[in-house]
Amino acid sequence: QVHLQLSGPGLVKPSQTLSLTCAISGDSVSSNTAAWNWIRQSPSRGLEWLGRTYYRSKWYNDYAASVKSRITINPDTSKNQFSLQLNSVTPEDTAVYYCGRGPVVVGYYYIDVWGKGTTVTVSS
Amino acid sequence: EIVLTQSPGTLSLSPGERATLSCRASQSVSSSYLAWYQQKPGQAPRLLIYSASSRASGIPDRFSGSGSGTDFILTISRLEPEDFAVYYCQQYDSSPPGFTFGPGTKVDIK
Repeated sequence: QVHLQLSGPGLVKPSQTLSLTCAISGDSVSSNTAAWNWIRQSPSRGLEWLGRTYYRSKWYNDYAASVKSRITINPDTSKNQFSLQLNSVTPEDTAVYYCGRGPVVVGYYYIDVWGKGTTVTVSS
Repeated sequence: EIVLTQSPGTLSLSPGERATLSCRASQSVSSSYLAWYQQKPGQAPRLLIYSASSRASGIPDRFSGSGSGTDFILTISRLEPEDFAVYYCQQYDSSPPGFTFGPGTKVDIK
C-alpha cells in the first residue's frame, strides 16, 4: 500500500521560499508508471494542481502556468521522496498543500494516492 | 484552458435518496481525462471515478459516472450517511500537461 508523508514548515514569511517534502513508502519515486504531484487547496482558489515530476529514462517536470515562474519540483532518489519549492510567496499562497501519486500511462489521468495535507500560512 | 463548472453548489438530500451531480466543461473533454473525487472535512480528496465511468479500487457500486463531451454526471444511487461530503470533478489537459478541478458540489443532509 502506498503512503505519502508530507513535511515542512507551517509558516513562511512573504517573499521567502516555501519548501515541502513528500516521503514515499510502498512505491518508488523512480517508478516508470507513476508521476508525483503537488496540489494545493484554499477557499479562494479551490483545488489547484501545481506540478509533477516523473521518470521515463530521464526526469521530466510539468508545471501549472499560474506558478511556472516560481516553482521547482525535485525528486530525491536516495531518500525516495520529492520536494516542492515555491519562491517569492505572498499571502495568496496560503493553502493546504498535498502531494499525490498518479499514473503516467496512456489512458489514465488522475491522482489516486494523496498525502494527508499540510497547512502552510504565508505571514510576517 | 478548460474550465469546469459544477452544479448545484449544494445538494440537500436525505439518506437513501439518489444524488445526481453535474460537471460541465467549457470545451469538449476526452472521457479518459475526467475523474471524480470525494472530500470530507479535514481529509484529502479520495478518487472515486476515473475515465468518466470507471470506479476506483474499493469504491462501492452505488457510485457511478457517466457522460461525454462537455457534460458529465456523478450519481450516488442511494445515499449512505458516510456519503455526505464535497465532490469534485477533475480534467486533464495534454497540452500543456496538467490537471484542473471544478469548484465542487457539497452534498449535505436535509
